[in-house]
Parts: sequence; C-alpha cells; structure tokens
Amino acid sequence: IVLTQSPGTLSLSPGERATLSCRASQNVVKNYIIWYQQKAGQTPRLLIDRTSRRATGIPDRFSGSGSGTDFTLTITGLEPEDSAIYYCQQSGTVPLTFGGGTRVDIK
Amino acid sequence: QVQLVQSAAEVRKPGASVRLSCKTSGYVFTSYPLHWMRQAPGQRPEWVGWITPDDGETTYSRSLRGRISITKDTPARTAYLELSGLTPEDTGVYYCARWAGGADSWGPGTLVSVSS
Repeated sequence: IVLTQSPGTLSLSPGERATLSCRASQNVVKNYIIWYQQKAGQTPRLLIDRTSRRATGIPDRFSGSGSGTDFTLTITGLEPEDSAIYYCQQSGTVPLTFGGGTRVDIK
Repeated sequence: QVQLVQSAAEVRKPGASVRLSCKTSGYVFTSYPLHWMRQAPGQRPEWVGWITPDDGETTYSRSLRGRISITKDTPARTAYLELSGLTPEDTGVYYCARWAGGADSWGPGTLVSVSS
C-alpha cells in the first residue's frame, strides 16, 4: 500500500492549526494508520495509532481521524517544539509502509 | 522504564553480511512483537520485518526476503537482525522498536555503512 502525504511542507505560526493528510492507494485494513513525529537527529516518536488513539503522554493537541483511504493528523495550538517531520504508517497489510512525510515548520 | 539498546555502528563492503542486536529491558520481552525499521539519510523510514518473541514467528519485507533473518534470545531479552549480500543501498540507520499497536519505544539506532 502506497501512502502519499500532503502537503510536503507546512509553515505555520505558533498557536495555529496544522492539518496533515495521508492518502492510501487502497483501503487500510482495520484503519490501522499510525502517526509518528521525528525531530531532527532523533528517533521517531509514536503519536497516534489505529487512526485516532493517542499514545501515552501525547497531548490532546494531537488528534487523528479518517477511514478507508483518507486519514488526517490535526495539531491544534502549534508550539515551537512541534517543528518536525510527521510520518504516517499503515500496519494493516504486509509490508508495512510509511508515507513520505510532512515537514512542519513553526515560524 | 522500557529501554532498547542497540549495537554499535558497522562498516561493511558490498557483498558482506552484518548482524545487529537489540537488547531490551523494562517490560515482558515475550509480550510484544519487536520490529526492525531502517532509514536512509533524508529518507522516510522503511519497515524491515518483525519477530514475535513468544513463538519466534517472523515476517519480513518482500524486498529483503532471502537476505534477512530476525532471531531472538529470550533469556537474554535480545533480538537480532542479520542482513546478507549488502549493497550501498542498505546504508542507513537500523532501528529496533517495540510494537504495541505502533512502534511505541525505539532503540537509538545502529548506523550501517556499506561502501567499497
């Protein structure tokens, strides 16, 4: 399953809302979509699994939604620390695949 | 707390093999699958494969099948990734990660460099 993320880059100001898209080439089994945040030089960090379930310790500014082939990660009240690349991954079908990422820059 | 400690960086020539380790602590080793991912510089992560430590069942990326082996040593709470027939395209950081609906804890990664 090919995952296409858009936009490639988002430049936003603190306090704004970011909407990141992840589109799958076919239905994602059980809507098993996962979102990670990767800051420069760091390992990825799990944000959301199963489309909308926040991982432990993730603030409720981060939310996930979607079904079938279209999924969204929304970040409200952006903070400077949210600057990172965000990847979606599907785990419903082997091979597990990642999207190409959306870079979020906080101006 | 959950910790995954990976082996040191490796340098190999094309055609060689490499064996990476991932030592875990802080949780019941046999209760969670352990996945391996890799990431080439500036690229998206790529899923490599996983092992279910309770029964040793493995699933591999089709693109690496035939060159990859993931094993485990349960008493040592350690998983291993062996990759053979290395090419420069295998260069990157290899991560192990505990899987709980997603990769919720990651090792720091092992840099594998393949160059003649």
